[in-house]
Amino acid sequence: ETGVTQTPRHLVMGMTNKKSLKCEQHLGHNAMYWYKQSAKKPLELMFVYNFKEQTENNSVPSRFSPECPNSSHLFLHLHTLQPEDSALYLCASRGGTSGGTDTQYFGPGTRLTVL
Amino acid sequence: AQKITQTQPGMFVQEKEAVTLDCTYDTSDPSYGLFWYKQPSSGEMIFLIYQGSYDQQNATEGRYSLNFQKARKSANLVISASQLGDSAMYFCAMRPNFGNEKLTFGTGTRLTIIP
Repeated sequence: ETGVTQTPRHLVMGMTNKKSLKCEQHLGHNAMYWYKQSAKKPLELMFVYNFKEQTENNSVPSRFSPECPNSSHLFLHLHTLQPEDSALYLCASRGGTSGGTDTQYFGPGTRLTVL
Repeated sequence: AQKITQTQPGMFVQEKEAVTLDCTYDTSDPSYGLFWYKQPSSGEMIFLIYQGSYDQQNATEGRYSLNFQKARKSANLVISASQLGDSAMYFCAMRPNFGNEKLTFGTGTRLTIIP
């Protein structure tokens, strides 16, 4: 595997379910991100991790819970979601230290539908 | 705070013609980076090109070039000799070189290449 991978690619869940999204980067990067892309809205940053430590939480509801066990893996745990949480969830990674001009590389995304 | 404006929601271009996608930005940061990403219908956000705010020359990557006019705060993407595979959403984004990690995206332009 190369680049940034995400599983599953598609997920349908009920509002009472608990599920997790997984992201893995094979680029040796130190920073990982979760973004949400809803229809007709700009991409929204959700969480940032640098060297496994969460450095940004962009006022995300607690029904979204991130986990970063190491620099290569990032999870997004989902519970009691709402239909308006249906969106494409994109993971990204970046090399280098905090700040700087390094490019963020994205995974293919998980398309989530909440019924 | 940063803001990205993409005023063209959709564009239709004949195959093999050049196309310019507009992007203007607003920021109070003295040093920043500008990015263009391509998002095909599959969902993956593909990095195309990067321009640093202090770079003297416009960035180029193959058929992609960035027309950077700092005084006008514009960073238009130029695609030369368009191909059918260029049909996708295109997003302009920016990020400060120091401070927070947030990559701010525009609302995107849907480019359709006509055979």
